[in-house]
Amino acid sequence: EPEVTQTPSHQVTQMGQEVILRCVPISNHLYFYWYRQILGQKVEFLVSFYNNEISEKSEIFDDQFSVERPDGSNFTLKIRSTKLEDSAMYFCADSYRPNTEAFFGQGTRLTVV
Amino acid sequence: TQLLEQSPQFLSIQEGENLTVYCNSSSVFSSLQWYRQEPGEGPVLLVTVVTGGEVKKLKRLTFQFGDARKDSSLHITAAQTGDTGLYLCAVLNQAGTALIFGKGTTLSVSS
Repeated sequence: EPEVTQTPSHQVTQMGQEVILRCVPISNHLYFYWYRQILGQKVEFLVSFYNNEISEKSEIFDDQFSVERPDGSNFTLKIRSTKLEDSAMYFCADSYRPNTEAFFGQGTRLTVV
Repeated sequence: TQLLEQSPQFLSIQEGENLTVYCNSSSVFSSLQWYRQEPGEGPVLLVTVVTGGEVKKLKRLTFQFGDARKDSSLHITAAQTGDTGLYLCAVLNQAGTALIFGKGTTLSVSS
């Protein structure tokens, strides 16, 4: 069964460092998303991406964040200068169409120390 | 103020018991989704409800969408330990470009 895969599963980084979280979406899916979940809190929307551009972004997705699809298969989330409060599970998701089922990856646990 | 209020926040029951969890809002939605999330995993879609008053069954799980399309419930009959997890309701934002999640109900079923 096709699935969304994310790497790494766990990333520890020092405050101020840049991190890149990677996702390989399901091959024929066209809409891509990043969500995050701080421990014990709800799943929060960060950004949606379609046709090589951002469709929508939340207040959380400030200038420290960027997304790209560098090679037509991977979908990445970059945090330029990590802060302690960026520690969370980051989930990549995709869908075939925007109003259909979203498939989530297993997440990357980011720990900023 | 949360768009989606889920209750209860935590629920701990014995195997074989029945339970109901709720997802409420003051807003009207064209559809609502229920997801289940296990520790260390991403959310997995259980069902999408679309029509007011709609009831959908998935084995021992029964989902209902309120007549006014503002609320939904999930009823589990004869809970099993494998039902343990975080149950999330979610709706699309107005633009249809993102899912907005509730905080979820953490269910623990013990044998």
